[in-house]
Amino acid sequence: DAGVIQSPRHEVTEMGQEVTLRCKPISGHNSLFWYRQTMMRGLELLIYFNNNVPIDDSGMPEDRFSAKMPNASFSTLKIQPSEPRDSAVYFCASSLRDGPTDTQYFGPGTRLTVL
Amino acid sequence: EDQVTQSPEALRLQEGESSSLNCSYTVSGLRGLFWYRQDPGKGPEFLFTLYSAGEEKEKERLKATLTKKESFLHITAPKPEDSATYLCAVGKGNQGGKLIFGQGTELSVKP
Repeated sequence: DAGVIQSPRHEVTEMGQEVTLRCKPISGHNSLFWYRQTMMRGLELLIYFNNNVPIDDSGMPEDRFSAKMPNASFSTLKIQPSEPRDSAVYFCASSLRDGPTDTQYFGPGTRLTVL
Repeated sequence: EDQVTQSPEALRLQEGESSSLNCSYTVSGLRGLFWYRQDPGKGPEFLFTLYSAGEEKEKERLKATLTKKESFLHITAPKPEDSATYLCAVGKGNQGGKLIFGQGTELSVKP
């Protein structure tokens, strides 16, 4: 299996622009997770889906962030408008099921820089 | 409040110098404790899952153990290629797939 695929790998944008990050989970996995990683805050869960339905979005910072999962093989995380404080590495992960013992497999991440 | 704390924040070892990384947790209803390895510029890579106190798992030079309050990742005779950040995370019974991650321990092994 190709693993979790994320695109783009790097994104540089200017404040106020819209940014869309993309993720393809491992085939057959039913749960998908979006994380943000910074030096100050470590790895933070933003939102996760099970069977394409958002289950927990309590980590989404504010209304500027939105996530969708239109089908089992694709998800997007959108930031509009972007701000410099959104600069971070964004990871997507997937797991077979939605359970506390299900291993999450991470993608390579998207490094976002907002100028 | 549920919390996962890793120590030390950074650890420098000489090649062959064995040591341990600690992950302590205050989480009710723990169902699984995960260890990941993260190399610079990459996503976390799964290492182990531990499910109950007393359980141990091994992989090459790494051995993970679990008690009711903490987990240890023992590194025996480390090599420079073991240099990475090691993350632990906890899954609890009433939060579905949501994991609580620690801040990580950055391990550096010098030849």
